[in-house]
Amino acid sequence: QKEVEQDPGPLSVPEGAIVSLNCTYSNSAFQYFMWYRQYSRKGPELLMYTYSSGNKEDGRFTAQVDKSSKYISLFIRDSQPSDSATYLCAMSARSGAGSYQLTFGKGTKLSVIP
Amino acid sequence: DGGITQSPKYLFRKEGQNVTLSCEQNLNHDAMYWYRQDPGQGLRLIYYSQIVNDFQKGDIAEGYSVSREKKESFPLTVTSAQKNPTAFYLCASSMSLGQGYEQYFGPGTRLTVT
Repeated sequence: QKEVEQDPGPLSVPEGAIVSLNCTYSNSAFQYFMWYRQYSRKGPELLMYTYSSGNKEDGRFTAQVDKSSKYISLFIRDSQPSDSATYLCAMSARSGAGSYQLTFGKGTKLSVIP
Repeated sequence: DGGITQSPKYLFRKEGQNVTLSCEQNLNHDAMYWYRQDPGQGLRLIYYSQIVNDFQKGDIAEGYSVSREKKESFPLTVTSAQKNPTAFYLCASSMSLGQGYEQYFGPGTRLTVT
């Protein structure tokens, strides 16, 4: 079982729809949960990160973490064509040396159709 | 503007040649990272560095080498020993390894070896 599972899609939605992107994980030591947005042929852009469980909102984006289910989600409200990109989830656990490394999902490709 | 620059954007090399990818950051970050991204795969860590003249191997370091002579710069050399060098290479940085959950990425270099 891979440490982080993410449905690769592709996911196609009409403009204005609510988008739900999800990842599951197996390592209960993960403490930080990140979402990156990556446009084609560009580097990933950090959208937001969450520590432990709960929700975090930033504009049209809401990140949700359920540690009991080992499940994280990113919701995009009022989706726009400019949201069309690949969304990567990433997770991090503290190592014995006090550092945090990232473990990435494979990404979900999202298309928002005008 | 603070950020991470990578050059060149596209690089073509013949098999058997070493090639060096540039990464520079002006974010005053201590930690820097190199990742490789292949189609349908998550990002995989090649090398990382916490301070000048110190670096550690990541999950897939074989066939790669790095140096960290300046805080701002972390070049990656893809050697002829790397069996499948064609990939999208991403450089990232964070304030420190202890804040490695918050990494920022450069625009990437797409390397093609024929």
